[in-house]
Amino acid sequence: DAKTTQPPSMDCAEGRAANLPCNHSTISGNEYVYWYRQIHSQGPQYIIHGLKNNETNEMASLIITEDRKSSTLILPHATLRDTAVYYCIALIQGAQKLVFGQGTRLTINP
Amino acid sequence: NAGVTQTPKFRVLKTGQSMTLLCAQDMNHEYMYWYRQDPGMGLRLIHYSVGEGTTAKGEVPDGYNVSRLKKQNFLLGLESAAPSQTSVYFCASRGEQDRYEQYFGPGTRLTVT
Repeated sequence: DAKTTQPPSMDCAEGRAANLPCNHSTISGNEYVYWYRQIHSQGPQYIIHGLKNNETNEMASLIITEDRKSSTLILPHATLRDTAVYYCIALIQGAQKLVFGQGTRLTINP
Repeated sequence: NAGVTQTPKFRVLKTGQSMTLLCAQDMNHEYMYWYRQDPGMGLRLIHYSVGEGTTAKGEVPDGYNVSRLKKQNFLLGLESAAPSQTSVYFCASRGEQDRYEQYFGPGTRLTVT
């Protein structure tokens, strides 16, 4: 599984877009980029995933660079409930082990 | 539809005691997982199961045993608890058709003194 690198913490104002970066320079061609988040004391929650195309769902958008060495998770209108630790994970689809690094602690400020 | 539930929510053990954590899912999922999360760290996989009657080791299996006698249940056992096993334990499940999403339970906070 490719190693991912994320900033340890970020702040964002409520109502603004939160852009969370992730570097995965060693990602292989069959590895997807997954994003999960963990709100304080709760179990992780799946957000979105992608291979090489940009993806959007009701929670977020995922922008993957053309060389696939980095990606950005976008929460378009952040709310206080989006305060959480966000994990970027690169692995083969269907793999058994999710490897959670340190993640980015996102704080949404009123 | 309760999703993934874990029992108990909290537990305090003395060193050397044993206990079993229960994970139950009502989504008819084939795959089930046990993770542990230490303070300030990401989750690490302990054991997992790809179907009823099967188990496999994950990243940090030492000191733990598991059983999957029924498809909906995945049990995690600590035979002789140690302070190093103080952690929050999360169970997760995934369906065959869910190639990318694991569904997590609320966690069990275990303290070993």
